[in-house]
Parts: sequence; C-alpha cells; structure tokens
Amino acid sequence: DVKVTQSSRYLVKRTGEKVFLECVQDMDHENMFWYRQDPGLGLRLIYFSYDVKMKEKGDIPEGYSVSREKKERFSLILESASTNQTSMYLCASRDRSNYGYTFGSGTRLTVV
Amino acid sequence: AQSVSQHNHHVILSEAASLELGCNYSYGGTVNLFWYVQYPGQHLQLLLKYFSGDPLVKGIKGFEAEFIKSKFSFNLRKPSVQWSDTAEYFCAVNADRDDKIIFGKGTRLHILP
Repeated sequence: DVKVTQSSRYLVKRTGEKVFLECVQDMDHENMFWYRQDPGLGLRLIYFSYDVKMKEKGDIPEGYSVSREKKERFSLILESASTNQTSMYLCASRDRSNYGYTFGSGTRLTVV
Repeated sequence: AQSVSQHNHHVILSEAASLELGCNYSYGGTVNLFWYVQYPGQHLQLLLKYFSGDPLVKGIKGFEAEFIKSKFSFNLRKPSVQWSDTAEYFCAVNADRDDKIIFGKGTRLHILP
C-alpha cells in the first residue's frame, strides 16, 4: 500500500513564526498536493506539484509556499503564521495512471 | 472551473435506514468522480471511484454510487446503514487530464444506534 507520512500530527506555533509541514510518500508518485480542511468548507487546495521542483497554485495559495526538491518529499511553508491559518492540513499523493489520491493522516496546526 | 456541490451538510439516520447523499458537479467535459470517507479521528479513505464504463459503481462497505451524466450527478447510496458508518463523506471531481481533484464541502453523517 502507498504510504503518505506527515511528520507531525499536532503543532502549536506562535503568530509570525515560519512553519514547515513535511510530507513524504513512498511509492514514487509524480503528483503531490497540500490541502487544508476546515469545518463546513471541505478540503481546499493550497498548492500541488506534478514533478520535482515544479509547483502550481491551488485555490488558496496566499500566505503559503511549497518546496519539492526530491520526488518523495513535498513541504508546505507558512512564511509568517497567522491565526487564520489554524487548520487541519492534509497531504496527498497520486500516481498519474491511478487518478485517485492517497492521503496522509493530517497535521492539526494551531497558531496562537 | 470545476466545482462540486453536496446537498446536505448534516444527515442523521437510524440504523438500518437507507442512505442517499447527493452530489452535483459543474464541468462540461469528461470527468472522474470520487467519494471519500473520513471516520472520526482517521484520515481520508477512498470509498469508490468512477472513471468510465458502467455508471453504477460499487465501493467498499456496501456503498455504491450512480453517475448520471445528464444531471451532472454522482449520488452515494447504501441500502441499510450501520452505526459504524458515522463519518464525514466527501464527493470529489477531477477533470480528465487534469492533475488536481476538487472536493465538495462534505456531509456529516450521524447514525443513531
């Protein structure tokens, strides 16, 4: 089975801090994605990457950046964390031939 | 741009009741369709998916969904729900040859024992 691992399950950070959320997949998938999940809003796409060093903005990229230096790792960066970025962050990966996503278990980030 | 609309935000049913969760999407071209489930405290899991062929798709745990192209719909059904089906359900659409999937806002299903 494909495994998508997010490095932290829970994080608490202060306003203004730079925050790194890490995601690693072990099945050589080309595509990787970062979503945030908020009650009543579903999953909203922040950024995705279809290859190493390639990235595209999703629907809500403001306040975030990403890095994909290696195929298996996709990092989400909050340059200066704010309280409205308190959320559940989900990473996913996908093999282009499979269409469906495999999700990590999520990182619940609280910005205080 | 694609979008997904789920009709109900919160559904409460008794065990053994039949379930139908509505999902409509907006996109004029070929699509791939998904239903994901998130059980309390767990990560998202794929319930079922439609790519092509038979519009009636069977998934895990007795769930099925029917793709009706003329209605842009992909409703999820289960004839008899169980308490363990309590979860949040997400409908999602992916335009063919597009890399990303767009999710609906989710439906919280609560099954009373």
